[in-house]
Amino acid sequence: GQQVMQIPQYQHVQEGEDFTTYCNSSTTLSNIQWYKQRPGGHPVFLIQLVKSGEVKKQKRLTFQFGEAKKNSSLHITATQTTDVGTYFCAAHRNDYKLSFGAGTTVTVRA
Amino acid sequence: KAGVTQTPRYLIKTRGQQVTLSCSPISGHRSVSWYQQTPGQGLQFLFEYFSETQRNKGNFPGRFSGRQFSNSRSEMNVSTLELGDSALYLCASSFGTGDSNQPQHFGDGTRLSIL
Repeated sequence: GQQVMQIPQYQHVQEGEDFTTYCNSSTTLSNIQWYKQRPGGHPVFLIQLVKSGEVKKQKRLTFQFGEAKKNSSLHITATQTTDVGTYFCAAHRNDYKLSFGAGTTVTVRA
Repeated sequence: KAGVTQTPRYLIKTRGQQVTLSCSPISGHRSVSWYQQTPGQGLQFLFEYFSETQRNKGNFPGRFSGRQFSNSRSEMNVSTLELGDSALYLCASSFGTGDSNQPQHFGDGTRLSIL
């Protein structure tokens, strides 16, 4: 089974609005990575979070790692059509095996 | 620097056949991981190779196998194909040494369809 649970599975957003996708684990994670896969494309690495409570920003994207290192979130402000795609969180255990969440598929209404 | 290259991009096979997929990692990357992506199961880890050795393995049957060559290129083989093996097979590479917290660089994948 998957190590990380991701919600929601689908997110329909009005252009210009904000939304958040969440990633949760029952166990403490050593790190969390986020990837984006555009329709018809392959996953592309966005960011990695390692420290408890860490917050990182990439333009309109804000990534957060929970204090207990069991959850993470991705918040996108002022959604644009270029944000369309599936966002995955992924976590390593103490090896090089990466477990992906089920992903949040984002569609944007213009 | 060239990205991860997977061949072929598309493949159509029939049940019972076998198939071999190829992956060339980014130059300097020694770790190659394989994933199966389907609409129902998402991204599932198959196995990871480093320095020609399988270092990690997912929960797939023995029909799925792989290998890595001395130049870090990797192949994945699926024998006795089943309809349920229809999927996008993604290869990803990373340096693979030191800290395991390394981003994965994915190829465009091989779309395998079983008739």
